[in-house]
Amino acid sequence: DAKTTQPPSMDCAEGRAANLPCNHSTISGNEYVYWYRQIHSQGPQYIIHGLKNNETNEMASLIITEDRKSSTLILPHATLRDTAVYYCIVRVLYIQGAQKLVFGQGTRLTINP
Amino acid sequence: NAGVTQTPKFQVLKTGQSMTLQCAQDMNHEYMSWYRQDPGMGLRLIHYSVGAGITDQGEVPNGYNVSRSTTEDFPLRLLSAAPSQTSVYFCASRPTGGWNTEAFFGQGTRLTVV
Repeated sequence: DAKTTQPPSMDCAEGRAANLPCNHSTISGNEYVYWYRQIHSQGPQYIIHGLKNNETNEMASLIITEDRKSSTLILPHATLRDTAVYYCIVRVLYIQGAQKLVFGQGTRLTINP
Repeated sequence: NAGVTQTPKFQVLKTGQSMTLQCAQDMNHEYMSWYRQDPGMGLRLIHYSVGAGITDQGEVPNGYNVSRSTTEDFPLRLLSAAPSQTSVYFCASRPTGGWNTEAFFGQGTRLTVV
């Protein structure tokens, strides 16, 4: 399984951009990078995913380095509601075509007023 | 659509009791899975299913059974609960096929075994 490494915690001021890094140096060519977040023990929520191009949606932007060994999730204007644990996940093709989400420890992001 | 629905939300069991955690999805997703989350840890995969009638083990399957008789439902059974199974359990589903899909999670079942 490709592994990911994230800082355990980060702080960001409300209204500023939050940049969350993730290292995935063993990622293989067909593995996507997914980001999920978990707010206060609720079920994980999908944020964004990408393969090799930068991606943007209404929640965030995902910047993937050219060698694909690392990525950064950007929340452009963080709000207090963005306080959560953010998981960077590399999907792995499992047997019978089932994909397994390999969750690491995540980054606990705290948005400060 | 209700998405992924888990019941119950909370449960307390005595050691040795059995119970079934329910998971249902109304999105016609082929893939469903169960995770557990323990304090300070990420989610760990217990069992998963690629479609009705097909299930397989994940990372931490011991002490749990699953079945998938319909596309919509994927119950998780604890045959003889142990304190080590105290955890928050999440069910997830995903559309069939392809890399480019997201998983939808339920709101979790918080289980305490005393």
